[in-house]
Amino acid sequence: AQKITQTQPGMFVQEKEAVTLDCTYDTSDPSYGLFWYKQPSSGEMIFLIYQGSYDQQNATEGRYSLNFQKARKSANLVISASQLGDSAMYFCAMREGWTGGGNKLTFGTGTQLKVEL
Amino acid sequence: EAQVTQNPRYLITVTGKKLTVTCSQNMNHEYMSWYRQDPGLGLRQIYYSMNVEVTDKGDVPEGYKVSRKEKRNFPLILESPSPNQTSLYFCASGFIAGGPGQQFFGPGTRLTVL
Repeated sequence: AQKITQTQPGMFVQEKEAVTLDCTYDTSDPSYGLFWYKQPSSGEMIFLIYQGSYDQQNATEGRYSLNFQKARKSANLVISASQLGDSAMYFCAMREGWTGGGNKLTFGTGTQLKVEL
Repeated sequence: EAQVTQNPRYLITVTGKKLTVTCSQNMNHEYMSWYRQDPGLGLRQIYYSMNVEVTDKGDVPEGYKVSRKEKRNFPLILESPSPNQTSLYFCASGFIAGGPGQQFFGPGTRLTVL
């Protein structure tokens, strides 16, 4: 079974609108972390936001927020007030276990977001 | 500036010609890792290292070697590259304890094996 599933290969959003990128995960480990990375066309991987499995509040970083629904095993990324510069590939990733046991990240296949005028 | 550097950024080579992609970080991270990115597959881990002289296989280690002789460097070696190793490669590093395990990525190396 896929550990990280991103079911939206591509999405379009109008500038200034909000958009939700879906991510579901599968793990039996009670301790895990969920990450979102942005990859613009230039290729670099940019860290956006992190949610720990024991965090009570949904993570937020500026225009990015993570809609964490633990029972559903989903960790959707919400981008508010989309900008043209948000056009990029977005990856959801998971770290299983505590960080002292290693930091391996398992990635989803990504969602290509295109922001339109 | 805190960063992970990779060299070269772009490389075109031929089947069987040994090559090394260098990776260096200046953040004193214990953990370093190599990933490859292929369309429709996301990023997959090749090898990782928890500290100097400690390395282990990731999900797709076949055809690759690594070494960790110094904390800051983690080169990726392709002894006999084949066309199926054409990919975008990322080196990443992070602290092991005391944080979420966030990894910092290098700029990527685009490798083409003819």
